[in-house]
Amino acid sequence: QVQLVESGGGVVQPGGSLRLSCAASGFIFSDYGMHWVRQAPGKGLEWVAFIQYDGSHKYYADSVKGRFTISRDNSKNMVYLQVNSLRAEDTAVYYCAKDKGYGDYYFDYWGQGTLVTVSS
Amino acid sequence: SSELTQDPAVSVALGQTVRITCQGDSLRTYSANWYQQEPGQAPVVVIYDKNKRPSGIPDRFSGSTSGDTASLTITGAQAEDEADYYCNSRDSSGNHYVFGTGTKVTVL
Repeated sequence: QVQLVESGGGVVQPGGSLRLSCAASGFIFSDYGMHWVRQAPGKGLEWVAFIQYDGSHKYYADSVKGRFTISRDNSKNMVYLQVNSLRAEDTAVYYCAKDKGYGDYYFDYWGQGTLVTVSS
Repeated sequence: SSELTQDPAVSVALGQTVRITCQGDSLRTYSANWYQQEPGQAPVVVIYDKNKRPSGIPDRFSGSTSGDTASLTITGAQAEDEADYYCNSRDSSGNHYVFGTGTKVTVL
């Protein structure tokens, strides 16, 4: 069965950095795009970034462009989110999600999330 | 970027029907998907591509779209349907994604 397990969250000061990781299993990882989606405490879902199956295309929400970088290692079945220049408003649970692919544009599997808290 | 607007909260009596709407310009071009999120849990897709149900999703969940408005209908709501529901689609660029503001469904 498909499993997505995020890690790397924690408490960081404003202006700091973290690298979030997502370990994928149960499907042919190199065939699918992957997303990061976040949810601030008590708030709604916000799409953050997408990386194509081969890493050739990456897209970011305007709110994180230039500060966050999505990457993947298909040999390790891992997707990453490097988050830099963190702000209080980046505090959220960060989910990785699998793209359904093959002409369907939605998130068919989600991890349980990793919490990033930006606070001094 | 595009926006998708949902009513913040709706309530439904047990066994009755409730419809949740999602409005946004991008829905004229791109299909809507719907996710259910229970407290403390990750979202789960309940409808994709306007009106398709993934395997394992009860057939009381249905979706439709008219113009710039997508709808999720729960016919015969059950206690376990009490959750937050979010719509989503691609935005006007086609390369970004957007979520609706979310609707909290309470089953009375």
